[in-house]
Amino acid sequence: AQSVTQLDSHVSVSEGTPVLLRCNYSSSYSPSLFWYVQHPNKGLQLLLKYTSAATLVKGINGFEAEFKKSETSFHLTKPSAHMSDAAEYFCVVSDLRPGNTGKLIFGQGTTLQVKP
Amino acid sequence: DVKVTQSSRYLVKRTGEKVFLECVQDMDHENMFWYRQDPGLGLRLIYFSYDVKMKEKGDIPEGYSVSREKKERFSLILESASTNQTSMYLCASTPGGYEQYFGPGTRLTVT
Repeated sequence: AQSVTQLDSHVSVSEGTPVLLRCNYSSSYSPSLFWYVQHPNKGLQLLLKYTSAATLVKGINGFEAEFKKSETSFHLTKPSAHMSDAAEYFCVVSDLRPGNTGKLIFGQGTTLQVKP
Repeated sequence: DVKVTQSSRYLVKRTGEKVFLECVQDMDHENMFWYRQDPGLGLRLIYFSYDVKMKEKGDIPEGYSVSREKKERFSLILESASTNQTSMYLCASTPGGYEQYFGPGTRLTVT
């Protein structure tokens, strides 16, 4: 069975400092992993995805994530936070078993606060 | 651009009412999903559909049903709304890969 745990429910950083949002996953098969972002009163938007190619994945708005199989982690990072990055972030796992119809498992979410 | 639209952004209903939430996608996607989002719980899958008239239960189907008569439209039905169904409801679609495209959400309040 697949599961995903976001290790922090709330992260607060100052503008211009690095961002680290932590995610651990569990999957019986080779996983596909995603990070989605949700700005207030908006739907979810895909930030980046890992699907068994390069382990360092670059996404939109300067975010990137590294897939570490030995640590079962997929942490999201950004070198320098902007005020517009304040949002809720979801780590998501799927698996590549044949017949999987695209079901995703979502983490509980991490709220990123960016202080001026 | 893929567009997923939901019929209402905000909805207020009374306990016991039958509630319909509509979702439409314009990219001919095979799979469509309904989630509810609650603080601290992330998104939980209610139902999904992988073809017209085909549906499967997700993790929390109790109190809900769905309808998919046309490929582009996936409806979520609350047969008899209850206060514990107050939530944000999100619809998503995917062509069969694993990236899902989300609508803006419907915030439902049941009083």
